[in-house]
Amino acid sequence: KAGVTQTPRYLIKTRGQQVTLSCSPISGHRSVSWYQQTPGQGLQFLFEYFSETQRNKGNFPGRFSGRQFSNSRSEMNVSTLELGDSALYLCASRAGQRADTQYFGPGTRLTVL
Amino acid sequence: AQSVTQLGSHVSVSEGALVLLRCNYSSSVPPYLFWYVQYPNQGLQLLLKYTSAATLVKGINGFEAEFKKSETSFHLTKPSAHMSDAAEYFCAVIAYSGAGSYQLTFGKGTKLSVIP
Repeated sequence: KAGVTQTPRYLIKTRGQQVTLSCSPISGHRSVSWYQQTPGQGLQFLFEYFSETQRNKGNFPGRFSGRQFSNSRSEMNVSTLELGDSALYLCASRAGQRADTQYFGPGTRLTVL
Repeated sequence: AQSVTQLGSHVSVSEGALVLLRCNYSSSVPPYLFWYVQYPNQGLQLLLKYTSAATLVKGINGFEAEFKKSETSFHLTKPSAHMSDAAEYFCAVIAYSGAGSYQLTFGKGTKLSVIP
């Protein structure tokens, strides 16, 4: 099976712009979670989607949003970018609703100038 | 709330020496615990997981971890370090967040250096 894929791998944006990141889960996986990784804050949970519904959201401002499509692919959007949004954004998928293992993609490196 | 603490942000070992990376957890219920590894410019790769089936868990690349409830620990070990083990290692606990959602809570990570 193919793993979790994320596109693009690298992005450079300027303050005030918006960005959309994409994640394709492992085939058959219905849950997609997003995490932000920064040197200062480490790995922080952004949100989780299951069957096109947001199940849970972390402590991030409303500028961070996401959605999931019927084929389980997910997108994450950040509006009005700030310098502090520079980070590695990781997507993870798991099969079902229980405490299954989460499998991570390679991440999208976002740099905000 | 579940949480994990990783002792030591940087650990250096000589090639061939024992690797020991420490993780302590806090959980009000029996935890599901994970170790992930991250190589530079890559995502997280699962090393091993504990789901209460056995206290000694064997993972990939010769790593293993022992769940000790009395010590609330889940330390990662490898008998003999290889140069290829140089990476950052994350301990994580899974927490139920309601509405069928489970989220991973990660430790701060331990960067392992292997000295030739």
